[in-house]
Amino acid sequence: GIQVEQSPPDLILQEGANSTLRCNFSDSVNNLQWFHQNPWGQLINLFYIPSGTKQNGRLSATTVATERYSLLYISSSQTTDSGVYFCAVSSSGQNFVFGPGTRLSVLP
Amino acid sequence: GAGVSQSPSNKVTEKGKDVELRCDPISGHTALYWYRQRLGQGLEFLIYFQGNSAPDKSGLPSDRFSAERTGESVSTLTIQRTQQEDSAVYLCASSLAGSLLLGNTIYFGEGSWLTVV
Repeated sequence: GIQVEQSPPDLILQEGANSTLRCNFSDSVNNLQWFHQNPWGQLINLFYIPSGTKQNGRLSATTVATERYSLLYISSSQTTDSGVYFCAVSSSGQNFVFGPGTRLSVLP
Repeated sequence: GAGVSQSPSNKVTEKGKDVELRCDPISGHTALYWYRQRLGQGLEFLIYFQGNSAPDKSGLPSDRFSAERTGESVSTLTIQRTQQEDSAVYLCASSLAGSLLLGNTIYFGEGSWLTVV
């Protein structure tokens, strides 16, 4: 089945810094979504982005489907951005395969 | 309901006992998913329901795990003869339609935290 890798596995930032998270996938996908899991475990969808670029406030994402990767950009990070960021892909139109996540800690 | 609802939120059980976890999807969502997340790890797909189609059970780790769904409503995940390795958060999600090709977002519940002692 499809494999999903994410990097870096862990990231520590000072508040106000910018960061880029990467998601690589092993096969063509029809659907790619980024999620944020907060420290209490709740998973929130950030972007649906199988291709192209989207922006939502301080967050933006770009997927280059032909090269099988997606990037999540966080600008002017805040402590509330802490948590784990997951990339999830679907190639079959059925279930999602999740990457292992990037654990982000933003220090005040 | 307004969101995906799961119960119980926390469950501590003795090794060897059976447990049932319940998921109430968002009203009108035809697709329902179960995932497992061990402490500090990613999400592991378990099972997927879409309408009246046969469920995709390819992620169930053993025959001790089973799940049912009544129509397009509540689902129950059952773990028989629980083992300590079953300790994890069990997350349920639902989406508007089964085909993720349409770009439908999946919405997660808050999870059921299972501890087997």
